[in-house]
Amino acid sequence: NAGVMQNPRHLVRRRGQEARLRCSPMKGHSHVYWYRQLPEEGLKFMVYLQKENIIDESGMPKERFSAEFPKEGPSILRIQQVVRGDSAAYFCASSPLLAGFTDTQYFGPGTRLTVL
Amino acid sequence: DQQVKQNSPSLSVQEGRISILNCDYTNSMFDYFLWYKKYPAEGPTFLISISSIKDKNEDGRFTVFLNKSAKHLSLHIVPSQPGDSAVYFCAATPGAQKLVFGQGTRLTINP
Repeated sequence: NAGVMQNPRHLVRRRGQEARLRCSPMKGHSHVYWYRQLPEEGLKFMVYLQKENIIDESGMPKERFSAEFPKEGPSILRIQQVVRGDSAAYFCASSPLLAGFTDTQYFGPGTRLTVL
Repeated sequence: DQQVKQNSPSLSVQEGRISILNCDYTNSMFDYFLWYKKYPAEGPTFLISISSIKDKNEDGRFTVFLNKSAKHLSLHIVPSQPGDSAVYFCAATPGAQKLVFGQGTRLTINP
């Protein structure tokens, strides 16, 4: 009964490089959410996806950030041309598809991105 | 615009006593509230939730109270145990959508 899986757990990039963060939701879950936590702060919503659809990207920076959740495979959060301010913990959460219900989101262990 | 606030950054409680963590919100559209516990270098772990149609939900040592008129919720842990030492986040959502988190409260249980 695997939970939400994220990889890599730690990622180090130099300024200007690309970062790719992967998330595999819990079995049976078709909703994926990405959150970012800066040091000493709470988690901030970035994007909400269902398979092949972006439902809400209101928390995503307009430039350099993108997300996808393809029909097959994990969800990917992509950060192009990383800057030092992108250093943070990125968490993925998933929830099941239950129409008409508000579902609990279950979180993965996170990817800690460090930009040098 | 902090829609969910946890005004106590830290709380220290003696083992065996009750821990009470508080959370205030401003958005009347929130209808589902959750508490998560987080250890360093790990993801948040779901603890307990409550729908806006209820004012109390209990699960073992954990009870969440919701006061809609005051836009306030609280998490009670009794009795507190050393393993409860962690950062606790409250979160709210207006439906099956994004969660809005508070800043967290660091709970320390002293032996």
